[in-house]
Amino acid sequence: KNEVEQSPQNLTAQEGEFITINCSYSVGISALHWLQQHPGGGIVSLFMLSSGKKKHGRLIATINIQEKHSSLHITASHPRDSAVYICAVRKGGSQGNLIFGKGTKLSVKP
Amino acid sequence: EPEVTQTPSHQVTQMGQEVILRCVPISNHLYFYWYRQILGQKVEFLVSFYNNEISEKSEIFDDQFSVERPDGSNFTLKIRSTKLEDSAMYFCASSAPWGGFEKLFFGSGTQLSVL
Repeated sequence: KNEVEQSPQNLTAQEGEFITINCSYSVGISALHWLQQHPGGGIVSLFMLSSGKKKHGRLIATINIQEKHSSLHITASHPRDSAVYICAVRKGGSQGNLIFGKGTKLSVKP
Repeated sequence: EPEVTQTPSHQVTQMGQEVILRCVPISNHLYFYWYRQILGQKVEFLVSFYNNEISEKSEIFDDQFSVERPDGSNFTLKIRSTKLEDSAMYFCASSAPWGGFEKLFFGSGTQLSVL
């Protein structure tokens, strides 16, 4: 069983829709990352969370440590948001040793 | 925004050859990492490097792999004798030293093809 599970695997939305991507994990963690991988392959870090909620522009990330679950929300989605969104967890005591999810491929149609 | 740069962007090599993948992390960062992503699969951690030594490595990072920071700016990943299964996109990343482990900055990757 994967230690980090993301859902859905694929998501198609219309421009302007509110989007939610979910991440569940089965190990104890000290932090959780949300990453964006562009079609060309490049990876951009969106958030690092250890508790609560963070917001940056139209992106909101939340984490519930007790339930071992995190969500990434995109408000007013736009075609430029089309990318693969990856959840990655850092085990306690680790530095860059992240366990990655398989990613959620988001396609936003105009 | 500062960038992590990786060279080359593509590398083609013959099985059994040595390859060196190069990275220039962000200048005031102190933690450096290599990850890889085999086509169609998830990203995997290889190694982390701090204070001129390896701080963590995965099972993938066997004796065929080594890392080095030869001159205070470059951070290299060497694969001594490449195998077909080493074909992947290799990402370098760095992070800032303050506040613990914060935002990761990734390079754009080196696509390694082993023939």
